[in-house]
Amino acid sequence: KNEVEQSPQNLTAQEGEFITINCSYSVGISALHWLQQHPGGGIVSLFMLSSGKKKHGRLIATINIQEKHSSLHITASHPRDSAVYICAVKGDSNYQLIWGAGTKLIIKP
Amino acid sequence: KAGVTQTPRYLIKTRGQQVTLSCSPISGHRSVSWYQQTPGQGLQFLFEYFSETQRNKGNFPGRFSGRQFSNSRSEMNVSTLELGDSALYLCASSLAWDRVVRNTEAFFGQGTRLTVV
Repeated sequence: KNEVEQSPQNLTAQEGEFITINCSYSVGISALHWLQQHPGGGIVSLFMLSSGKKKHGRLIATINIQEKHSSLHITASHPRDSAVYICAVKGDSNYQLIWGAGTKLIIKP
Repeated sequence: KAGVTQTPRYLIKTRGQQVTLSCSPISGHRSVSWYQQTPGQGLQFLFEYFSETQRNKGNFPGRFSGRQFSNSRSEMNVSTLELGDSALYLCASSLAWDRVVRNTEAFFGQGTRLTVV
């Protein structure tokens, strides 16, 4: 079993829909990252969380430390949100990033 | 402020050759980490450098090595290339090493796509 599990693996939705991507982890963490990767490779850090909730524009990230679970929400989704969204946790001992497999999101106009 | 710059963006090498990839972090950042991304394995940690010293190393063979210079620029080297080394190599920079300043945010480059034929 992977230490970081994301669901769903693939998600296709219509423009305007509310999107939720989930991340569960099994290790002790010091922080959790949500990142976005567009075709071509570059990775953009969206959020770094260690507790609670963060919001940036149409993106909201939440984390429940007790349940070892985080969610990334996208409100009023747009085709430009199409990308792979990756959850990564930073271990609380060696501080290495442990990566989820990613969720491929396609938003259709 | 310039972002993280990786060069080259694309590279094709043949088996047995060696390759050197470069990463220039954001100005003022002293920590550089390297990751390998393959379709089958996802993203995996290679190593982390802070102040010219390797602080953390992932589970990769000794053919993978790196270094960091006094200006914080980092290079990674892969010797005796194998077909399985074909991947996107990503570099991330952060202000400090997490053991110094806990949970510093990382900023990623565009990556170098290496193809071994």
